[in-house]
Amino acid sequence: DTEVTQTPKHLVMGMTNKKSLKCEQHMGHRAMYWYKQKAKKPPELMFVYSYEKLSINESVPSRFSPECPNSSLLNLHLHALQPEDSALYLCASSLGPNTGELFFGEGSRLTVL
Amino acid sequence: KNEVEQSPQNLTAQEGEFITINCSYSVGISALHWLQQHPGGGIVSLFMLSSGKKKHGRLIATINIQEKHSSLHITASHPRDSAVYICAARRPNTGNQFYFGTGTSLTVIP
Repeated sequence: DTEVTQTPKHLVMGMTNKKSLKCEQHMGHRAMYWYKQKAKKPPELMFVYSYEKLSINESVPSRFSPECPNSSLLNLHLHALQPEDSALYLCASSLGPNTGELFFGEGSRLTVL
Repeated sequence: KNEVEQSPQNLTAQEGEFITINCSYSVGISALHWLQQHPGGGIVSLFMLSSGKKKHGRLIATINIQEKHSSLHITASHPRDSAVYICAARRPNTGNQFYFGTGTSLTVIP
């Protein structure tokens, strides 16, 4: 199994809603990442989890809250988002925090109304 | 100035043509990755290079560490190769943080 699975694929939410994006991998990878990608731009790193601990937070607003319940799962909780947060949210994993290829999911396309 | 520069930004080719995409970087790196992104989102890692050359099917990637330059070649291009190709330079000892190029949008016409 060399897949990173993200759900949902599409999400539309209002600015007062609370929703979550989910990411799962079963490759035994110990580093997992959330990226945000706007149209025609490269991905921007948001968070890195290393051995289930948050190791990097790239000054992301608190309306985005990551969670790593176990080594296979990564969530991104969303609350009180703004329309400018609409983007493709990509999850990725790698064998370790400084090694290995990045394996990406298909992404969750978020629209905030 | 971006730490990673890609060229060209856009590329249109006829099916069967040999394609080259270039990536130059100005910082120290621990590895150079080539990524492919199709319309609609998902990113696939094509190569991870720290030296020399790698080949996978019709794709070849090379890196020259001294010149801080990498190339991605596609032989016998096909319409299914149409995608955005992104060069990503892994920053040493930063927990797998990357400098990303701005991508090359490739369209292969039948």
